Amino acid sequence: KNQVEQSPQSLIILEGKNCTLQCNYTVSPFSNLRWYKQDTGRGPVSLTIMTFSENTKSNGRYTATLDADTKQSSLHITASQLSDSASYICVVRGGGGSQGNLIFGKGTKLSVKP
Amino acid sequence: DAGITQSPRHKVTETGTPVTLRCHQTENHRYMYWYRQDPGHGLRLIHYSYGVKDTDKGEVSDGYSVSRSKTEDFLLTLESATSSQTSVYFCAISLSLGQGDTEAFFGQGTRLTVV
Repeated sequence: KNQVEQSPQSLIILEGKNCTLQCNYTVSPFSNLRWYKQDTGRGPVSLTIMTFSENTKSNGRYTATLDADTKQSSLHITASQLSDSASYICVVRGGGGSQGNLIFGKGTKLSVKP
Repeated sequence: DAGITQSPRHKVTETGTPVTLRCHQTENHRYMYWYRQDPGHGLRLIHYSYGVKDTDKGEVSDGYSVSRSKTEDFLLTLESATSSQTSVYFCAISLSLGQGDTEAFFGQGTRLTVV
């Protein structure tokens, strides 16, 4: 069964600290993986995309990694800010053409405290 | 927000009443989706549309119907609302980025409470 598992479910860190969120998937065939940020009361917004051939990609203070062999991805946030408080959702797109299925993780809720 | 507007943003309705949620897009995207988001679950696909009058079921379609009579509007109807349909509903469009890749853009969500 195609699944996306995220850990931890929730995380509290102090402003300025770093953190790493994990995503394990069993989606096959694999097309790509995206990390989305969802602020409270809003829809998810894409942060970064990882394709099969990419190991790491950065978007400002966000760095995503992908190990296609172990089917694991991580999202590292550097020097966290209060505005980073949100849910982070890992989404894997399965194969089947450009409209292949999107499999959503349940998200990690990050709280950044001053 | 890729020109996506959901209405209403909030609604409280009674069990057994019909409810229609509207998703409106301004950029002529072909693919539109309805998801629901509940605590302890990832976003789950209810129905999607791949063109005017072309729709298909998603993972959790029971109790829901959809219609797309024009490109810009995708309607989600709960024929007889139940408490289990209390949720946050998101509309999304799929934007082609080339090379077979697409990205989903989401609306702001509709919080529906069935009492």
